[in-house]
Amino acid sequence: DVKVTQSSRYLVKRTGEKVFLECVQDMDHENMFWYRQDPGLGLRLIYFSYDVKMKEKGDIPEGYSVSREKKERFSLILESASTNQTSMYLCASSSRRDRGYEQYFGPGTRLTVT
Amino acid sequence: AQSVTQLDSHVSVSEGTPVLLRCNYSSSYSPSLFWYVQHPNKGLQLLLKYTSAATLVKGINGFEAEFKKSETSFHLTKPSAHMSDAAEYFCVVSDRGKTGGFKTIFGAGTRLFVKA
Repeated sequence: DVKVTQSSRYLVKRTGEKVFLECVQDMDHENMFWYRQDPGLGLRLIYFSYDVKMKEKGDIPEGYSVSREKKERFSLILESASTNQTSMYLCASSSRRDRGYEQYFGPGTRLTVT
Repeated sequence: AQSVTQLDSHVSVSEGTPVLLRCNYSSSYSPSLFWYVQHPNKGLQLLLKYTSAATLVKGINGFEAEFKKSETSFHLTKPSAHMSDAAEYFCVVSDRGKTGGFKTIFGAGTRLFVKA
């Protein structure tokens, strides 16, 4: 079974803090994704990566950056957290060998910025 | 351009009655379509997927969906609802974009309530 783990389930940070969200997958997937989920808006793609050290902006990259130094790990960074970044953050991975790119999701990190 | 519309934000059914969650999509090419389920405070779990094989797709927990190209629909059904089906459901389309890479679009979600 594919397993995608996220470093924290719940996180509370102060405005202006630098925040790191970590994601690790154990299935040697090439693709990794970061989404945020807000009520009524579904999932919105922040950043994705097709390979180590490669990153692509998604639909809402402003205020975020990412890092992928190893194939299994994809980090989301909030350089200076703001209250409008309070949200559920979901990491996912997929394999290029799978037609349709079915994505496997982690349990999510609920981030509150005060 | 791709888009996904889940026609109901909330659906309420009684236990033992049928479930219908509606999804319409638009896509320029031959899409792959998915339904995911999310239970409270959990990640998304794949229910079923369509990738150009049989148009009637069976998934886990008794769910199925039918791909209807003429109607651009991919509705999710289950003959008999169970209390444990109460969750949020997402319809997802994945397609090859203009640059050749795959792009995935999530619907806004449908919350299913199941009454005893």
